[in-house]
Parts: sequence; C-alpha cells; structure tokens
Amino acid sequence: SQELEQSPQSLIVQEGKNLTINCTSSKTLYGLYWYKQKYGEGLIFLMMLQKGGEEKSHEKITAKLDEKKQQSSLHITASQPSHAGIYLCGADRATNKLIFGTGTLLAVQP
Amino acid sequence: KAGVTQTPRYLIKTRGQQVTLSCSPISGHRSVSWYQQTPGQGLQFLFEYFSETQRNKGNFPGRFSGRQFSNSRSEMNVSTLELGDSALYLCASSRIVPGQGGNEQFFGPGTRLTVL
Repeated sequence: SQELEQSPQSLIVQEGKNLTINCTSSKTLYGLYWYKQKYGEGLIFLMMLQKGGEEKSHEKITAKLDEKKQQSSLHITASQPSHAGIYLCGADRATNKLIFGTGTLLAVQP
Repeated sequence: KAGVTQTPRYLIKTRGQQVTLSCSPISGHRSVSWYQQTPGQGLQFLFEYFSETQRNKGNFPGRFSGRQFSNSRSEMNVSTLELGDSALYLCASSRIVPGQGGNEQFFGPGTRLTVL
C-alpha cells in the first residue's frame, strides 16, 4: 500500500463549487507539501505545512495539517476552470527527498 | 529570477542506449533532486545532490546515476535503457535554510523520455 494516500482519485465539480482533497499518511508528517501539476508538466508549489494544526491559505486555496500530523486536507473555495489539474501531496522522508501521494485529478466544468 | 530549467524537453531513444538529462537550478539553490514520474508508479524519488555530493538515493537500479557540478547544475544518466524507463523526469531545486526543517522544492518542466 502507498505510504501517502490521496482521496478522491478524481473529482469533477461545477464552476463555483467548493471541494476538498485529502492526504493521509501511515507515518507522522514532519513536512507536508501540496503541489499542482498540469498534465505532462512540472509541479507548481502551493503550500508547505509543518506544525500540527497549521493552516495556510493562498487566494482561494486553504491547506490544513491535523493535530496528529497524519492527515492533511486541501480545500478550494468557489472553484474556477484555472484550478483544474492534478493535485499532489508530498512528504519529507529526508532532506529534499519527497515521497508523493497518488494524486487527485480535478476537472472544473464551466 | 529564472526558474528551474531542464534540457532537453523531449527525447526518444531505443532500448540499450544511454541518455543524459540536464538540470539547471534556480540561482542560489544548491540542492538538486531528481524524480521519475510514470502512470503506473507515480512520482518517485531518484536521488538528491548538494554541494556536488549525493546525499540521498531512492530505490532505483545502478543504471540510474547522477552528478552535480560546482555551479550546482546537475545531470542524470540512464544506461542500457529499458522500455520501462519511459517517463517524465523532473528535477527540483531547493535553497537549504540552516535550521529549517522543511525546504520548498521548485520543479522544472521535466524531460519526457520515450524508449522504443
């Protein structure tokens, strides 16, 4: 089984709707990263979370790390077509060595 | 500031050949990590270099190797290519901050390698 599990695997939402993507780890998370990827392209850094209970926001995207540091969620408010892509969570396993979740494919219908 | 650049962007090789991919990190970044992304295995860590030294290595065969130069640019080499090596190869650079537990990694656009 994957060390980092993401859910759902894919998601189709209507423009303007809110959505949440979850990332669950089998080990304590000491650094949790969220990235977005357009198909076949590089990863765009969204946010990094390190402390239990930490929450960060950027524009309409909010990410949280739970108190036990084993689960993170990414929430998009009022989704737009520009939010479409693959969302990946990554976790530090050593300095600059990330393991990644399976990814969540998001489609936003106009 | 220029982002991470990777060359070439696309490459087609045949089985048994070898290939070298290049990565130029963001100016001032001394750490370069390499990842392989395939539909079946997802995104997997290959290795990481800092100050010309390999510090971490993923679970890949010895056919995959890399190096880093004094200007922080990095190359990775795959010898005796197999069909399964077809993938998007991504490099990421990071500015190491002493005492900071996590470091943002900035990714390049990737090199799409196709092995025929």
